[in-house]
Amino acid sequence: EADIYQTPRYLVIGTGKKITLECSQTMGHDKMYWYQQDPGMELHLIHYSYGVNSTEKGDLSSESTVSRIRTEHFPLTLESARPSHTSQYLCATRGAATNEKLFFGSGTQLSVL
Amino acid sequence: GENVEQHPSTLSVQEGDSAVIKCTYSDSASNYFPWYKQELGKGPQLIIDIRSNVGEKKDQRIAVTLNKTAKHFSLHITETQPEDSAVYFCAAGGNTGGFKTIFGAGTRLFVKA
Repeated sequence: EADIYQTPRYLVIGTGKKITLECSQTMGHDKMYWYQQDPGMELHLIHYSYGVNSTEKGDLSSESTVSRIRTEHFPLTLESARPSHTSQYLCATRGAATNEKLFFGSGTQLSVL
Repeated sequence: GENVEQHPSTLSVQEGDSAVIKCTYSDSASNYFPWYKQELGKGPQLIIDIRSNVGEKKDQRIAVTLNKTAKHFSLHITETQPEDSAVYFCAAGGNTGGFKTIFGAGTRLFVKA
């Protein structure tokens, strides 16, 4: 099983602050993903990466940015947080084959006041 | 665009009864259909998956059926237990879009003791 870690688990910050949500994995998976989950449960893909130095925007427009300098690390950054960014953020990985399952982290619950 | 519809959004059953969740997908190129279970405070976890060359798959109390002609697939949980209470997501994936997975909107299952 893949080990995927997200920190912090919960974050409450004020409007205008810069934040970085961390996501790390130990399985050497090339593909990594960030999903935003709203209170209505739906999962929205906001960013993904095929591997080092690869980043792509997902289906849902997001003001966040990501980087992939190392295989195991895929941080998400918000330059200036707003209340509309309040949400659950889930990081996931996938192995080399096309149709392999996604491994999800436990998520970061972000609240912007 | 690609779409996965999931019904019902909420399902309440008595312990011991069966639960059925249904999904339809739009992209005929999809060939991988996973189901994820998300418990409170955790990320989604794969519980069963089916590939397009198979019509049915079973794992203990859970089973999935696939009708490729109709683009329908369903999750069946028999002899439900309180620990089955969670949010369930169906999804469709394939060789398109950089191995992206398209998720349904989720079903919140309540199993009453």
